[in-house]
Amino acid sequence: AQSVTQLGSHVSVSEGALVLLRCNYSSSVPPYLFWYVQYPNQGLQLLLKYTSAATLVKGINGFEAEFKKSETSFHLTKPSAHMSDAAEYFCAVSGGGAGGTSYGKLTFGQGTILTVHP
Amino acid sequence: GAVVSQHPSWVICKSGTSVKIECRSLDFQATTMFWYRQFPKQSLMLMATSNEGSKATYEQGVEKDKFLINHASLTLSTLTVTSAHPEDSSFYICSARARGLDRQFFGPGTRLTVL
Repeated sequence: AQSVTQLGSHVSVSEGALVLLRCNYSSSVPPYLFWYVQYPNQGLQLLLKYTSAATLVKGINGFEAEFKKSETSFHLTKPSAHMSDAAEYFCAVSGGGAGGTSYGKLTFGQGTILTVHP
Repeated sequence: GAVVSQHPSWVICKSGTSVKIECRSLDFQATTMFWYRQFPKQSLMLMATSNEGSKATYEQGVEKDKFLINHASLTLSTLTVTSAHPEDSSFYICSARARGLDRQFFGPGTRLTVL
């Protein structure tokens, strides 16, 4: 069984400020973790993923996330927000590390809407 | 990069009719396809997983007779919403994964409105 909790359904930052979107997970097998971004009326775009290699993962558009097993967290950060970063962000977990019935099946968090102010 | 398309991008239908949504992987062979449903202001919920040439596996609470999934080839999966009702109105998103890959590629979604 696996689940994802995103803390904060809405996050608002000023342009140029640090972006921090929080994600905690639970998984009965070694997890694969993902961050996706969704713009209005569009599908999901992969920002980055953790698949048991380096714990600090760098993604597209300047985003990165750090896998912390002891904290069961995978928070998404970006040093300096741009207006174009305004979107909804989803954290997801997959039981991909050890295969099994959860392999490939993504469980999504509730999503966090990021607003960027000028 | 890998591209997944969905058709149609939006559809409006009358209550009681059936609607078919196509999901295609354009430049790779998708051994597994996933169908998700997203209600307004909510997260994606996995409906079913389909592997090419075999029956789809539905998540708990999803009616298999209402949401018919056919994964007829390595590049095409279809979702048919049978006897649609207003409560079926939602954003339906498919994703596709190639054999051995640890990520899914998502389609742009289909917005279904049932009147």
